[in-house]
Amino acid sequence: KQEVTQIPAALSVPEGENLVLNCSFTDSAIYNLQWFRQDPGKGLTSLLLIQSSQREQTSGRLNASLDKSSGRSTLYIAASQPGDSATYLCAVLTQGGSEKLVFGKGTKLTVNP
Amino acid sequence: KAGVTQTPRYLIKTRGQQVTLSCSPISGHRSVSWYQQTPGQGLQFLFEYFSETQRNKGNFPGRFSGRQFSNSRSEMNVSTLELGDSALYLCASSRSKVGSGRNDEQFFGPGTRLTVL
Repeated sequence: KQEVTQIPAALSVPEGENLVLNCSFTDSAIYNLQWFRQDPGKGLTSLLLIQSSQREQTSGRLNASLDKSSGRSTLYIAASQPGDSATYLCAVLTQGGSEKLVFGKGTKLTVNP
Repeated sequence: KAGVTQTPRYLIKTRGQQVTLSCSPISGHRSVSWYQQTPGQGLQFLFEYFSETQRNKGNFPGRFSGRQFSNSRSEMNVSTLELGDSALYLCASSRSKVGSGRNDEQFFGPGTRLTVL
């Protein structure tokens, strides 16, 4: 059974700091990995999607890496801003007959002005 | 281009009642997946529909059901509501069936907040 873990559960940083969010998964049989952002009481916004054959993806100040063999992904946020405050969720799309997104519990990020 | 829409946005029901939630996917998207989000369990997969057929189902009791119409709109139904069904229900759509390897990125709606009293 695929399990996704995100560490830390919460993170508070001053504005302007570079930061890294971590995600690990137990089964390497995945199609892809996605990072999402969720604002309080809202739906999910897709940030980056990395196919299983890829190593990283970049979008603006965000960079996500994937090491499928070790079951790890990181989301790097450069020059953090107060508007980046949200919960960040990592999800893997599982293989094996029951394709579905399996989510971690998220990292709640607070960027202080 | 309009995103995924879900109606209603908020619902309050009492135990034992049933509820129907609706999801309209992005135009041209044929796959719709449903997820339940609770503080304790996080986000959990309910089911996926593609071309009016249920492809995959998560580990939820039979009280949770769904369907998809020919225009790709989807509904999910929860019968005999329990207090533990209180959650944010999220719908996601993708152009192709999930896991197909092409055009299967999922885009999420704003969710329906269900409160069971």
